[in-house]
Amino acid sequence: DGGITQSPKYLFRKEGQNVTLSCEQNLNHDAMYWYRQDPGQGLRLIYYSQIVNDFQKGDIAEGYSVSREKKESFPLTVTSAQKNPTAFYLCASRQGSNQPQHFGDGTRLSIL
Amino acid sequence: AQRVTQPEKLLSVFKGAPVELKCNYSYSGSPELFWYVQYSRQRLQLLLRHISRESIKGFTADLNKGETSFHLKKPFAQEEDSAMYYCALSSGSARQLTFGSGTQLTVLP
Repeated sequence: DGGITQSPKYLFRKEGQNVTLSCEQNLNHDAMYWYRQDPGQGLRLIYYSQIVNDFQKGDIAEGYSVSREKKESFPLTVTSAQKNPTAFYLCASRQGSNQPQHFGDGTRLSIL
Repeated sequence: AQRVTQPEKLLSVFKGAPVELKCNYSYSGSPELFWYVQYSRQRLQLLLRHISRESIKGFTADLNKGETSFHLKKPFAQEEDSAMYYCALSSGSARQLTFGSGTQLTVLP
């Protein structure tokens, strides 16, 4: 779906640094989600937000933080507290409770 | 807690052969299940959802509550079906998804 944009496509981080991944959508979707994809493990939910200025932890929130100041934006910060940050990160959004989630292209984060 | 299991990490079939990708789930409520597909170098996209009961690209999936399964089937596989397939269950007030670990399907010529 061209309406969900994740940037950058590739990101490198030095140990001890925080890094922020961008997710923007122009679909006017209320709910947004962040997932982490690791080989052989499928996708795991990090954080989600149902409305502006509100978000909840998912299954693996430790070492991550988010904000939802605008409906169209849901940035994810990978902090230095995340011990194994190397992964592929996917952002998704959804309009109503009966609608499926739509995904962005993802950001691949690597540690230098 | 909800759980989705895809027992096959890798599955290879020949072109024209039937294919079935298995998915089992555990969930205490009324499940809403999906199949997502990720073709090479493309984003994850929705293939099927059980409530729509439709056939997409020749694929079908039937929810079997007795066996807690949602297997994906296609009678005649094509080479362009080669991709990673994920089964997912939607739950919670935010309809967050719980994914299986995925099955890499390869259709051989």
